Amino acid sequence: DVKVTQSSRYLVKRTGEKVFLECVQDMDHENMFWYRQDPGLGLRLIYFSYDVKMKEKGDIPEGYSVSREKKERFSLILESASTNQTSMYLCASSRSWTEAFFGQGTRLTVV
Amino acid sequence: GESVGLHLPTLSVQEGDNSIINCAYSNSASDYFIWYKQESGKGPQFIIDIRSNMDKRQGQRVTVLLNKTVKHLSLQIAATQPGDSAVYFCAERADSSYKLIFGSGTRLLVRP
Repeated sequence: DVKVTQSSRYLVKRTGEKVFLECVQDMDHENMFWYRQDPGLGLRLIYFSYDVKMKEKGDIPEGYSVSREKKERFSLILESASTNQTSMYLCASSRSWTEAFFGQGTRLTVV
Repeated sequence: GESVGLHLPTLSVQEGDNSIINCAYSNSASDYFIWYKQESGKGPQFIIDIRSNMDKRQGQRVTVLLNKTVKHLSLQIAATQPGDSAVYFCAERADSSYKLIFGSGTRLLVRP
């Protein structure tokens, strides 16, 4: 089975902190994605990566950056956390441009 | 449990009945569609997919129907079980791109 693992289920951070969300997949997938999920807004793509050290902006990249130094790991970085970044963050991976396999999500609260 | 959407459309069905969840998609150039299931506190889980050159695809207890004329997608679940209670999302991929566009979801409640 494909396994996408996010390092934390729940995080509480203070406004202005630098926050790292980590995601690891074990299926040698080329593509990895970060989404955020908010009530009434569905899943929105923040960033994606199609190869090591490659990244592309999604629909809502502002306030975020990403890092992909190794194929299996894709990190989402909040440079200076703000309360409007309180959300559920979902990492996903895929081998091709078809189905994406998701992690269990990280619920981030910024206070 | 956690809620993924406070004001989602909700479909309530009796255990054992068939469920039909509908989705309207936006882009006539979309060539690939997926249904995901999300249980409370978990990430979305792949259910079934369909390409635009097909009208129907069947899986285990699930069927996806695609009507490109009216840009409509549906998920049919046969003999709905309590474990089917979840939020269901459709997603479309446009123009062979990387990007999956997700709908806002429908909550399925199964009454015992």
